[in-house]
Amino acid sequence: NAGVTQTPKFQVLKTGQSMTLQCAQDMNHEYMSWYRQDPGMGLRLIHYSVGAGITDQGEVPNGYNVSRSTTEDFPLRLLSAAPSQTSVYFCASTPLTGRTEAFFGQGTRLTVV
Amino acid sequence: AQSVTQPDIHITVSEGASLELRCNYSYGATPYLFWYVQSPGQGLQLLLKYFSGDTLVQGIKGFEAEFKRSQSSFNLRKPSVHWSDAAEYFCAVGLLGGGGNKLTFGTGTQLKVEL
Repeated sequence: NAGVTQTPKFQVLKTGQSMTLQCAQDMNHEYMSWYRQDPGMGLRLIHYSVGAGITDQGEVPNGYNVSRSTTEDFPLRLLSAAPSQTSVYFCASTPLTGRTEAFFGQGTRLTVV
Repeated sequence: AQSVTQPDIHITVSEGASLELRCNYSYGATPYLFWYVQSPGQGLQLLLKYFSGDTLVQGIKGFEAEFKRSQSSFNLRKPSVHWSDAAEYFCAVGLLGGGGNKLTFGTGTQLKVEL
């Protein structure tokens, strides 16, 4: 059982470039989310989705775009990368109901130069 | 707004000593509470979780946490720390649906273990 899979694990971008961070889960979870982790700031919610076709903004959504066309996939798009988006990005999934914890991917370390 | 506070940025303990990491939350309803651990360059590992019931929760690696509603706290404890416990620890509260959805994290506590 793969759980939550994030690709790539590492990425270096130049300022202004675009890219998509991939996240896939095989647990049929309705809820998926993206967090960014920065030193001294913990993890902060970027965007989340409660099901296919439904997305919403979290605490730090600016500069990021998401869509949810299937239950399994929740890609995060950076349309024009900025150095402030240098961070470690984590994807997570959970059943929408029921008392269970979030399942996290292994993270994507992104550097924007 | 909901918030989670971990007042200690860094903590150093000797191997074999006891450990308590503090976590306070601000949330109107009964929260779902979690502790995660992260080793350098690694992902997040769940240590324990609280949804309801017994306020003393046992987790993996010998950790436990106690939910105190009156103090809005969910402190993490371990009776005897091992060198392998050196890592960063995050407290989190879940705000949506059944449990681990829409998490708000504290800023983390970096634990150093002296041999």
